[in-house]
Amino acid sequence: SAVISQKPSRDICQRGTSLTIQCQVDSQVTMMFWYRQQPGQSLTLIATANQGSEATYESGFVIDKFPISRPNLTFSTLTVSNMSPEDSSIYLCSVSRTSGGYEQYFGPGTRLTVT
Amino acid sequence: DAKTTQPTSMDCAEGRAANLPCNHSTISGNEYVYWYRQIHSQGPQYIIHGLKNNETNEMASLIITEDRKSSTLILPHATLRDTAVYYCIVRGVGNEKLTFGTGTRLTIIP
Repeated sequence: SAVISQKPSRDICQRGTSLTIQCQVDSQVTMMFWYRQQPGQSLTLIATANQGSEATYESGFVIDKFPISRPNLTFSTLTVSNMSPEDSSIYLCSVSRTSGGYEQYFGPGTRLTVT
Repeated sequence: DAKTTQPTSMDCAEGRAANLPCNHSTISGNEYVYWYRQIHSQGPQYIIHGLKNNETNEMASLIITEDRKSSTLILPHATLRDTAVYYCIVRGVGNEKLTFGTGTRLTIIP
């Protein structure tokens, strides 16, 4: 398995500001993913982040709003930019050890509230 | 990836087997069935996956019908800690993404 930590665990932010969420893994992984879980909803994939290449965003998510960095094989950040109350969600990162790997491991999530 | 259909919610008595059904009638030959669960306020946790044969691990058993159009996750002796939302996901070989549906909210009753 992989041990994943996220910082911060929760935050309350004002609209118009930005927040950067960090995801740290205890070992090198090929694939990292960022998900959003809006209140009472299921998880939605925001983007896939591979080291050394630009993140690949899903339909409805754009780089200007959710810039992602992946500087090495154990770390990634997701920034939620110019926040509005609609961005209030839990943001989760997950990892897969290898391409086509059977298991994805999820971090504990970052609970974001925008006021 | 094929779409899945699950009941919205289920109850199960503590100590009994919990059987969670999933329909995936449009599954194709190279797509696997995965099960994850999400306990309240935690990230999803991998449970088990299978292609066509039944699978068992320390957490659960996965029964896939012969035509692969449906499957059942079995928690053999449910405990209160098994209360969670359970997601059945179909994922093709080479596809890195997990597409989460609405899942089944399983409540274990003392």
